[in-house]
Amino acid sequence: EDKVVQSPLSLVVHEGDTVTLNCSYEVTNFRSLLWYKQEKKAPTFLFMLTSSGIEKKSGRLSSILDKKELFSILNITATQTGDSAIYLCAVEDGNTDKLIFGTGTRLQVFP
Amino acid sequence: DARVTQTPRHKVTEMGQEVTMRCQPILGHNTVFWYRQTMMQGLELLAYFRNRAPLDDSGMPKDRFSAEMPDATLATLKIQPSEPRDSAVYFCASGHLRGVFYNEQFFGPGTRLTVL
Repeated sequence: EDKVVQSPLSLVVHEGDTVTLNCSYEVTNFRSLLWYKQEKKAPTFLFMLTSSGIEKKSGRLSSILDKKELFSILNITATQTGDSAIYLCAVEDGNTDKLIFGTGTRLQVFP
Repeated sequence: DARVTQTPRHKVTEMGQEVTMRCQPILGHNTVFWYRQTMMQGLELLAYFRNRAPLDDSGMPKDRFSAEMPDATLATLKIQPSEPRDSAVYFCASGHLRGVFYNEQFFGPGTRLTVL
């Protein structure tokens, strides 16, 4: 059965810290891996990764994919309180077009 | 500013009542997804449509849930009869399949359903 596993489930840090969020997957027909940020409302898109070893960056956030070892990491440097959210990882199944979501990592950043 | 809209944003109802949730996808997107999110299960895909045709509804309890897309601007999710275990946030998302790789899915604000 296809699955996406995220770790840690929860993370509490102070402003300025750097965090690394992990996502591993077992999906038969991998097409892409997506990261979303969910605050109080709907998930908002962060990154889509399709190729191994190519880092995607947006400000203090960056992400990379390893298709051989079947995982991705999301890094956030110099964290701010506004980074507090649930970070969701999803893998797109190329056969069905479905996104298979992990349960998320809840990040709390305190001043 | 294109976005997915959902109505109602909140719904409180009693067990046994019918619930209808509506979604307007982003104009031009050809794929619409319905998700349910709970603390215990996270985000689960219930059903999705491509060019208004249902492709997969295996995530839905079929005895009480139904999803339709009567036209390109409206998708509906119905629960009849509703049960307390249906309490969750229901998200609609739309996207557009381009070639091999999918564009990201855009999520609506969700409908928070509470069944008493």
